Amino acid sequence: GESVGLHLPTLSVQEGDNSIINCAYSNSASDYFIWYKQESGKGPQFIIDIRSNMDKRLGQRVTVLLNKTVKHLSLQIAATQPGDSAVYFCAENSYNFNKFYFGSGTKLNVKP
Amino acid sequence: SQTIHQWPATLVQPVGSPLSLECTVEGTSNPNLYWYRQAAGRGLQLLFYSVGIGQISSEVPQNLSASRPQDRQFILSSKKLLLSDSGFYLCAWSRGGRTYEQYFGPGTRLTVT
Repeated sequence: GESVGLHLPTLSVQEGDNSIINCAYSNSASDYFIWYKQESGKGPQFIIDIRSNMDKRLGQRVTVLLNKTVKHLSLQIAATQPGDSAVYFCAENSYNFNKFYFGSGTKLNVKP
Repeated sequence: SQTIHQWPATLVQPVGSPLSLECTVEGTSNPNLYWYRQAAGRGLQLLFYSVGIGQISSEVPQNLSASRPQDRQFILSSKKLLLSDSGFYLCAWSRGGRTYEQYFGPGTRLTVT
């Protein structure tokens, strides 16, 4: 199946700093991407999505960037807060809207 | 608003015992439903998905099965659990048609001993 992976398994940042979480995907036919946040013991929570016809999308304190040339996706969190500490997953969808392929996740630790 | 429920929240079962996990969705109709498994420190693996009552698609060969007896009910079962079935099981739903966002339930932590 498609391969979606993350460059950094763990990321530690200082409260108030910006965070950047990266994700690489292998299927150039993927047309939709989602970032999820998962707190310990809970189900993933939707953060932001982006379609392949876009290269940037803004959310509340978050920005997703898509570089289709190198098949790279990133999530930027501005002014990181302790409540942002969680595991972040990227997921890709290739035409078949029923199937998402998830990366292994990046754990974000926010230091006070 | 829509809500998704899963139960039980945690479960400890011996090897060889049966399994039944239930997922229900409220506030929507004709949802697509999904079962995922998440091993510790890993990503989500899609196990089954369903686009309607009685319609189940399996993603990986395993000793698990899924059923959808009602529009908003999705059940994950096993006749005999294996140690390797331990994990965090997540149910998710999405609106039918070409909308993609999936909404996840709180999950069930299964430990097979």
